[in-house]
Amino acid sequence: NAGVTQTPKFRVLKTGQSMTLLCAQDMNHEYMYWYRQDPGMGLRLIHYSVGEGTTAKGEVPDGYNVSRLKKQNFLLGLESAAPSQTSVYFCASNPGLAGALGEQFFGPGTRLTVL
Amino acid sequence: GEDVEQSLFLSVREGDSSVINCTYTDSSSTYLYWYKQEPGAGLQLLTYIFSNMDMKQDQRLTVLLNKKDKHLSLRIADTQTGDSAIYFCAEVFSGGYNKLIFGAGTRLAVHP
Repeated sequence: NAGVTQTPKFRVLKTGQSMTLLCAQDMNHEYMYWYRQDPGMGLRLIHYSVGEGTTAKGEVPDGYNVSRLKKQNFLLGLESAAPSQTSVYFCASNPGLAGALGEQFFGPGTRLTVL
Repeated sequence: GEDVEQSLFLSVREGDSSVINCTYTDSSSTYLYWYKQEPGAGLQLLTYIFSNMDMKQDQRLTVLLNKKDKHLSLRIADTQTGDSAIYFCAEVFSGGYNKLIFGAGTRLAVHP
């Protein structure tokens, strides 16, 4: 199993450009999450999904959109990138079983720079 | 609202013990977690403790939980250079769906 994979690993955008980050998991997990990591602030939840076709807002959703058309994929879109969106983005997944440990499995991250 | 706080930096000598502290706010958290992030990598679950436990030991790792003070600590015995990483404390968000609230992370630097 590859676990959780993310593409691309690095990207540089100009202000106003758009892009999509792809997250894929091969563990048949129900729940998937997108976080951003900024120095001194830990991880903050952007959006999450509790199943195919569902999405919900997290702590910092503004400027981002997501889609979960297939259970194994969770896409994060930036329609008009801003310098404030320069960050490292992590995707994670969780089996979604009630009463389970709740461990999240993380991808390796995408480092995005917006100039 | 929920919040998790950690000190940002800890420096220890190789072979000494490291203690990383964390305070959290949601007393209903079922589990509390410690994640480790090595340079350039994602987060990996290091250990966890169930909320009805006071202590959990796992080889060189000891987790202490003080529910009254909402204080969690991670002790690494015989710290090695390979332990250099960022350590995140996390609690389960009460809103469900196994969402986690993370602290800012403690960067552990191990020097000879």
